[in-house]
Amino acid sequence: NAGVMQNPRHLVRRRGQEARLRCSPMKGHSHVYWYRQLPEEGLKFMVYLQKENIIDESGMPKERFSAEFPKEGPSILRIQQVVRGDSAAYFCASLGGTSFSSGNTIYFGEGSWLTVV
Amino acid sequence: AQSVTQPDIHITVSEGASLELRCNYSYGATPYLFWYVQSPGQGLQLLLKYFSGDTLVQGIKGFEAEFKRSQSSFNLRKPSVHWSDAAEYFCAVGNYGQNFVFGPGTRLSVLP
Repeated sequence: NAGVMQNPRHLVRRRGQEARLRCSPMKGHSHVYWYRQLPEEGLKFMVYLQKENIIDESGMPKERFSAEFPKEGPSILRIQQVVRGDSAAYFCASLGGTSFSSGNTIYFGEGSWLTVV
Repeated sequence: AQSVTQPDIHITVSEGASLELRCNYSYGATPYLFWYVQSPGQGLQLLLKYFSGDTLVQGIKGFEAEFKRSQSSFNLRKPSVHWSDAAEYFCAVGNYGQNFVFGPGTRLSVLP
């Protein structure tokens, strides 16, 4: 059973370009979370999605950032017109089932490291 | 609002010594609590979790944690630290169907 897959692992973009980060959750998982980790800092929640729905985007910057989790395919975190401050590691996590009672837990991907030059 | 504090930014222990990493949380309902470990340049690996029942939970790599509702704490412990335990440790709180909040992390250094 493959884990949470993120790609690309490393991405370099020039200021003003777009960055697209992809996350394929574990098989059967319908919940996806995105977190950002700035250098030497902890993980900051960005957005929580279920299939085709954004459940909580309270951690997403109001501009330039968007996320989707379509019915088919991976979840995408999109950053438009990147700036140097967007340089960070972006982690995706997935969760399955309908409750924690059956042993479900959150699994993280290996992260995507974005560098803006 | 839910929040997690990890009072110790950086802890250094000698190999073979015992370890306790502190975690305090603020949550409006019964919390689900987690500890994750992260090595440099890597993702997060789940060490253990508390959902309900026995307040002392065992995890991987010899770690354990104790949930104390009265103190709103979920401290991580290990009786004898190995050099390979050097990493960043994160405590998290949340609930099913909601976002999960992480603490700022505690960096563990291990002296030979």
